[in-house]
This record gives sequence, C-alpha cells and structure tokens, in this order.
Amino acid sequence: NAGVTQTPKFQVLKTGQSMTLQCAQDMNHEYMSWYRQDPGMGLRLIHYSVGAGITDQGEVPNGYNVSRSTTEDFPLRLLSAAPSQTSVYFCASSYSMGETQYFGPGTRLLVL
Amino acid sequence: QKEVEQDPGPLSVPEGAIVSLNCTYSNSAFQYFMWYRQYSRKGPELLMYTYSSGNKEDGRFTAQVDKSSKYISLFIRDSQPSDSATYLCAGRHTDKLIFGTGTRLQVFP
Repeated sequence: NAGVTQTPKFQVLKTGQSMTLQCAQDMNHEYMSWYRQDPGMGLRLIHYSVGAGITDQGEVPNGYNVSRSTTEDFPLRLLSAAPSQTSVYFCASSYSMGETQYFGPGTRLLVL
Repeated sequence: QKEVEQDPGPLSVPEGAIVSLNCTYSNSAFQYFMWYRQYSRKGPELLMYTYSSGNKEDGRFTAQVDKSSKYISLFIRDSQPSDSATYLCAGRHTDKLIFGTGTRLQVFP
C-alpha cells in the first residue's frame, strides 16, 4: 500500500512553460485535492475532486487545471507557468470530503 | 484577518520539556479541529482530531479546544528530538479545511 504518491519530486520550469504534476493514490479514496504551501501562507487549496469526473475550485485555482478520469489519479496542470507559482505542491486524499486527509510527499516547483 | 492564526516560531525547547503549541481562529462555524505534523521536506500527517470543546489525549499528545475563546492548543509531554517538526493546526466546517501557517518546533538533546 503506497498511499499517496506524487511525481516529480522537484521540477524547474521557465516562465510560460506548461507541465503536469502527477498524483496517485491506492486507497480507493473518493476525495482528492491539491494544495500549495508557501512560507507565511500555510496550505491553500487549489482544486479538489469528490469522485471520478467531478472537480471543483478551491481557494487559489487561477493558472491551474485538473481532471479526474479515474479514482486513483488526480493530475494538476500548470497551463503557463509564472514565478508566482513557485511553491511546494501537495496532493491529498480521503474517503470523503471532510474526512482525515492523507498527504503525498510533495513536489517542489521552481519557476524562473 | 486569516481564519486560523498560528505563531510561526521557531520554538526551541530541551528534551523532556512540556511543549504548548497554540492557534486562534475567527470562524465560529468550525466544527472540527486538527493538528498535523510535518517533518522537513515531507507531507503533513494527521496527529490529532477533535470535535467540539474539551481535551483529547493520545499518548504524549493532548489537544485542547476552547470554543468560547476560539483557541486551540496542542501539548506535548516529555518532548523528544524526534518531535522536531512543523505543527499545523486546522479548522473544518462542512467541506472547508483551513490551515494555520504552522509552528516550527525544535527539541534539542
């Protein structure tokens, strides 16, 4: 049981480039979410999904897209990277919205 | 004003000390409160989960909620160097989970 896995662990992008952060869980959780963590700002919710085919925006969704085609996977896409998106990104999952969330190890993203 | 406020620290204590970590919150709708522990370069992991006011104990850890003053605390007894981490408090109502910024704790031998 791997829990929540994220790839890559670290990525450097140039302004304007696009990329996809991968997240997968093997716990059959319905709820998955993406957070970014910045110094002095704490964890902020970007997007979340309550099940396959259903996604919704969180607190800071601009510049990010998500999709949920399977229960296991919840990728986060940066459409055109900006330096303001330099952050640590965490994916989390839980049985349902509001239940205990299990976090992945994070992806550190640097946008130059 | 942030919905959950937390002193960023760092808080440095000797091994064996009792540690008190605190948060204040402004949203009266919060029903549940959580403490997450985050080791350096790792994802947060749930430490304690409480509902309503009162205390909840789990080993060396005690979580306390005072809804009248909108104050939540985490106490760590007999602190160990392995407790060195960032501790995040969070409040939840319906589908919203709001995190504090985290307090960095250092326990030195």
